[in-house]
Amino acid sequence: SQTIHQWPATLVQPVGSPLSLECTVEGTSNPNLYWYRQAAGRGLQLLFYSVGIGQISSEVPQNLSASRPQDRQFILSSKKLLLSDSGFYLCAWTRDRDTFSGNTIYFGEGSWLTVV
Amino acid sequence: AQKVTQAQTEISVVEKEDVTLDCVYETRDTTYYLFWYKQPPSGELVFLIRRNSFDEQNEISGRYSWNFQKSTSSFNFTITASQVVDSAVYFCALILTGTASKLTFGTGTRLQVTL
Repeated sequence: SQTIHQWPATLVQPVGSPLSLECTVEGTSNPNLYWYRQAAGRGLQLLFYSVGIGQISSEVPQNLSASRPQDRQFILSSKKLLLSDSGFYLCAWTRDRDTFSGNTIYFGEGSWLTVV
Repeated sequence: AQKVTQAQTEISVVEKEDVTLDCVYETRDTTYYLFWYKQPPSGELVFLIRRNSFDEQNEISGRYSWNFQKSTSSFNFTITASQVVDSAVYFCALILTGTASKLTFGTGTRLQVTL
C-alpha cells in the first residue's frame, strides 16, 4: 500500500531563519506531488506541484521554494522565513501522472510551522 | 476560475442528531471531480469521498451520505446519528480533469458534536 510521510511535524523558527520540510511517498512511482498551506482559520492554498523529478510549478509567488530531487521526495524550503509563513503545511500525492484523471489525492500528516 | 463555497462556518449538534454540510461549487468545465475531506484536531486531511461530474448517483457509506446535484452545483454531505468522533473540520474541494491542476478548497465547516 502507499503511504505518505512528512516531517518535521512541528517546528518553531525565528524570523529570517531557513526552512526545510520534507515529504516522501512510499509504494508508488511517478506520483504527482503537491505542497499546500493552511493559514489559521482559513482554507487550503496550493503552493507548489510537481509532475516529475526537477519539475516544479509555483502557484503563489513568495519566499518559499520547492524541489523534487528524487521521484518520491518533495521538499519545501525557504532561505529566510517571514512571520506570514506561519501555518500548517500539507504534502499531498496522487497516482495520476501529469494531468489529473480521477485518482484520489492523499495528504500527509502535516507540519505546523510557527515563525516567531 | 473554479470556486467552492461552504457557507456554514461552524455547526454544533448534539450526539445522535443528523447534520448536513453544504457545498456549492462553480466551474465552467464539464469534467471535474469533487472531494470531501475530514480534518480532525490532529490536522491531517482524511479522504472521505470523490465523485466525478458524470456520476450523479448519491452515495452512502455507513453513517455518511453524499448528495450530488449538478442542477444546483451542490455536493452536500450528511452525517446520520452524529457522534463525538465526528467533530472535525470538513472540507469540500473541486479539481478539473485533464489538467495538471490543483484542488480548489472551500473554507471548511467546523462540526462540533457534543454529548
